[in-house]
Amino acid sequence: DAGITQSPRHKVTETGTPVTLRCHQTENHRYMYWYRQDPGHGLRLIHYSYGVKDTDKGEVSDGYSVSRSKTEDFLLTLESATSSQTSVYFCAISETPRDQPQHFGDGTRLSIL
Amino acid sequence: AQSVTQLDSHVSVSEGTPVLLRCNYSSSYSPSLFWYVQHPNKGLQLLLKYTSAATLVKGINGFEAEFKKSETSFHLTKPSAHMSDAAEYFCVVHSGGGADGLTFGKGTHLIIQP
Repeated sequence: DAGITQSPRHKVTETGTPVTLRCHQTENHRYMYWYRQDPGHGLRLIHYSYGVKDTDKGEVSDGYSVSRSKTEDFLLTLESATSSQTSVYFCAISETPRDQPQHFGDGTRLSIL
Repeated sequence: AQSVTQLDSHVSVSEGTPVLLRCNYSSSYSPSLFWYVQHPNKGLQLLLKYTSAATLVKGINGFEAEFKKSETSFHLTKPSAHMSDAAEYFCVVHSGGGADGLTFGKGTHLIIQP
């Protein structure tokens, strides 16, 4: 399995608090992605990174920010969490954006009360 | 633009019988297509991928899929279902060559009856 670690695996927090999720990889892949998974929606891309300090928005980026200061770490931040951001969050990595399949972490289950 | 439609939200089959999970796609470019499986409380695992080589693609655990350009379909099949196949399956498309990730179908929940 690809070396991807997400932390924390579970988190419960209150509306309005900041939350940061971490994705750590040991594969030295250039591309990293954050998705959210909600019932009936499959996975939807939040943000992605194509290198250190290089990031771009995905389909559902409102309310989220990301940072990548090292190849191995990609952080997802909810500046002020809302109940609509309750979801399961997945990190993924890939060597190239097209032909290589993305490898996924085991997810972070985030509940915002 | 690209999109994926998984035609069944739930599929139920008996153990030992064939499995068919249907997927249609649309893409402005020659697509790469994937099937992923997700077991409960786990991340997604790649089953197989099509990237413009052979149209019949063989994957892990006895699964295969056929790319049919004329029908814009990429259906997933398995000759004989096993109880361990019970999971959520996602059809996924990537086209355009950009680094903007994959477009996922909404998933098909496969139920295996004993």
